[in-house]
Amino acid sequence: SQTIHQWPATLVQPVGSPLSLECTVEGTSNPNLYWYRQAAGRGLQLLFYSVGIGQISSEVPQNLSASRPQDRQFILSSKKLLLSDSGFYLCAWSPLDRDNSPLHFGNGTRLTVT
Amino acid sequence: KNEVEQSPQNLTAQEGEFITINCSYSVGISALHWLQQHPGGGIVSLFMLSSGKKKHGRLIATINIQEKHSSLHITASHPRDSAVYICAVRVSGTASKLTFGTGTRLQVTL
Repeated sequence: SQTIHQWPATLVQPVGSPLSLECTVEGTSNPNLYWYRQAAGRGLQLLFYSVGIGQISSEVPQNLSASRPQDRQFILSSKKLLLSDSGFYLCAWSPLDRDNSPLHFGNGTRLTVT
Repeated sequence: KNEVEQSPQNLTAQEGEFITINCSYSVGISALHWLQQHPGGGIVSLFMLSSGKKKHGRLIATINIQEKHSSLHITASHPRDSAVYICAVRVSGTASKLTFGTGTRLQVTL
């Protein structure tokens, strides 16, 4: 069966520090991978999605970046965090080339930038 | 105006009540998802539908494509149903992306 792992679960970082959140998927190949952010009191916002290794699409201009160094690994990074980067970050995957397919979420990372 | 609107924003019910959460959208879609987010933040996909009706246990989801409206029903509600329920649509022609509503926070009391 397929599983998705996301870590860490919580993170407190000072402004200006770097960020690296990691997400891995097991039990499937060539998944679509997504990073979402949920700010307090707001809906989920798509940050990045990837349909293959090294292929990243950015939805929202900001100081975050994403990389997909391996088929089932998706990393969210920042060189210098801002206060506005605080939020709940969710990684998700869906089967590739299946437009109407379910979306599977990781347990999320709660990031607080102080 | 958001492309996906949910109502109500907050809902409190007593155990056993029948619950309805509504989702309206203003764009053409290829699919609609209902998601459940528990207090810890984890999200579970409940339904994905593009027409008609789906049922899983005490949960029922319906969609009316012509009216651009979907409902999530919970029969015989229970405190463990307390969560945020999120509607999300896959906009036609956008392949891999979902647009989310802001969610309905449901609290079921004894």
